[in-house]
Amino acid sequence: QVQLQESGPGLVKPSETLSLTCSVLNGSLDNYHWHWIRQSAGQGLEWIGRVHTTRGKNFSPFLGSRVTLSADTSKKQVSLTLTSVTAADSATYYCARGHYCTGSSCSHWYFGLWGRGTLVTVSS
Amino acid sequence: QSALTQPASVSGSPGQSITISCTGTSSDVGSFNYVSWYQQHPDKAPKLIIYDVSYRPSGVSNRFSASKSGNTASLTISGLQAEDEADYFCCSYSRSVTDWLFGGGTKLTVL
Repeated sequence: QVQLQESGPGLVKPSETLSLTCSVLNGSLDNYHWHWIRQSAGQGLEWIGRVHTTRGKNFSPFLGSRVTLSADTSKKQVSLTLTSVTAADSATYYCARGHYCTGSSCSHWYFGLWGRGTLVTVSS
Repeated sequence: QSALTQPASVSGSPGQSITISCTGTSSDVGSFNYVSWYQQHPDKAPKLIIYDVSYRPSGVSNRFSASKSGNTASLTISGLQAEDEADYFCCSYSRSVTDWLFGGGTKLTVL
């Protein structure tokens, strides 16, 4: 079955750039939107953004221009880059599969598949 | 900040039923039937338990049910079991400043 696996550094220094990768195992990126969602310790879930291989991307305005998302169909990976990190960016970062779009129609408007998450700590 | 409002905690005894509310606005919960609910056990990833307001994915117990009225969605768990003790998050598609909104989460304690 399709699985998602996040990877990246567990520790990032303040003001530096965080880079995470989500690998799609036993599946492809085609037609789905791929999302990044984070959760600070003991807190709720925060939507970061989404990327689709042909339909572009969108981000939470609360993270502004610090976020970059990309999708590599050949590698079956989606990536997240977050610049100028602070302690407030410390969280578990999840990759999730979102809605499915082909042609002019979309379905599966939910996060049906999640990775296990990767914990990122911002500290010097 | 959480755009959808959930109670911080609820509790119930085994066998009882509980309901968790999720209040949004006319820009999200009130406008779209794309409300979903997620169960999260400690140190685990969230798991989809309800989608499109009231549909259960295959494999999810029929003790979980959900509905929506106006700007408020609700999740009901009947016949509470110890394994239901977890955090529950609602989520809605939105046409406001951001695509997707989550609730702050509700901690369910089974007494």
